[in-house]
Amino acid sequence: DVKVTQSSRYLVKRTGEKVFLECVQDMDHENMFWYRQDPGLGLRLIYFSYDVKMKEKGDIPEGYSVSREKKERFSLILESASTNQTSMYLCASTKVGGRYSYEQYFGPGTRLTVT
Amino acid sequence: SQKIEQNSEALNIQEGKTATLTCNYTNYSPAYLQWYRQDPGRGPVFLLLIRENEKEKRKERLKVTFDTTLKQSLFHITASQPADSATYLCALDSRTFGIGTKLQVIP
Repeated sequence: DVKVTQSSRYLVKRTGEKVFLECVQDMDHENMFWYRQDPGLGLRLIYFSYDVKMKEKGDIPEGYSVSREKKERFSLILESASTNQTSMYLCASTKVGGRYSYEQYFGPGTRLTVT
Repeated sequence: SQKIEQNSEALNIQEGKTATLTCNYTNYSPAYLQWYRQDPGRGPVFLLLIRENEKEKRKERLKVTFDTTLKQSLFHITASQPADSATYLCALDSRTFGIGTKLQVIP
């Protein structure tokens, strides 16, 4: 079974703090993604990575950065947290190529509250 | 840009009936379309993928159809059970997800 884990289920941070969200997958997947999910807006792609040290901006990258130093690990960084970054953050991974290449495997999510 | 719409935000059905959820998209036809299930406070779980050259796909009590003329996919759950209550998302690719339909199966 593919497992995608996220470092925290719930996180409360103060405005201006630097926040790190970590994601680890154990299936040797090439692609990894960070989303945020808000009521009425659905899933929105923040950043994705198709290889170690490679990253691409998604639809809403402002205020975020990412790091992928190892294949299994993809970190999302909020440089200076703001209240409008209060959201559910979801990490996902996919394999490249083959029959199952488009299926995304999601982590359990991190509910981040910025006060 | 591609847009995706799930027609109902919420759907209530009686246990044992067939639930049908709709996903519509605009612009070009995607190479594939996916359906996910999401429980409250959890990440989505992949259910089914249907490719553009497939009209229908089944998995146990689940059936997905893909009509590229209508630009629509239908997701059916037959003999629905209360445990099927969840939000169901359709997706065209890693960037394009619907906001989901919340299904409630009433015993």
